[in-house]
Amino acid sequence: DGGITQSPKYLFRKEGQNVTLSCEQNLNHDAMYWYRQDPGQGLRLIYYSQIVNDFQKGDIAEGYSVSREKKESFPLTVTSAQKNPTAFYLCASSILINTGELFFGEGSRLTVL
Amino acid sequence: QKEVEQNSGPLSVPEGAIASLNCTYSDRGSQSFFWYRQYSGKSPELIMSIYSNGDKEDGRFTAQLNKASQYVSLLIRDSQPSDSATYLCAVNLDDYKLSFGAGTTVTVRA
Repeated sequence: DGGITQSPKYLFRKEGQNVTLSCEQNLNHDAMYWYRQDPGQGLRLIYYSQIVNDFQKGDIAEGYSVSREKKESFPLTVTSAQKNPTAFYLCASSILINTGELFFGEGSRLTVL
Repeated sequence: QKEVEQNSGPLSVPEGAIASLNCTYSDRGSQSFFWYRQYSGKSPELIMSIYSNGDKEDGRFTAQLNKASQYVSLLIRDSQPSDSATYLCAVNLDDYKLSFGAGTTVTVRA
């Protein structure tokens, strides 16, 4: 079955630690995205990538980093520079960059202790 | 001004009734519009997309778009308890970014 796999589902982090969230897709989609969702708020775009070895900052990229070394993979690192990292993180993909028809992974819930 | 605004709800409707959700957007150049459904604790899933003015029907769901008034709506006919979820309106802006509203939570009462 094709889909997007995010791991881990739940993650606890101490202040000052970097953590990396994994996102793998087998849909053969070119575009991949990372969104953050906070309670009562819409999804906010962190980073997106149109093709391998290329990615662009979204609206809230500060304190985050990504890589796109393979078409299937788009990991997100939440660095210690991110002041309020507790949130629900969603990875998504689409066939092309300019379509709003996104397929989402199950999400990763990060809590800072 | 927020790019995409939705009536915050929560919206409570009896089973079998019509649920009406509204969404307005600020960028007059927006070309494509989407409704995502998100169950509590889960990720969003696309349920409707609409690109031209008018109505688009898919089963019990109808999306309505009025570009002149800059609004898009979603009607859920014959609402079922399984429709209880948060519905996110999303608008595709010119620079390839999808902008999401905060969502409207719908509760269908049995």
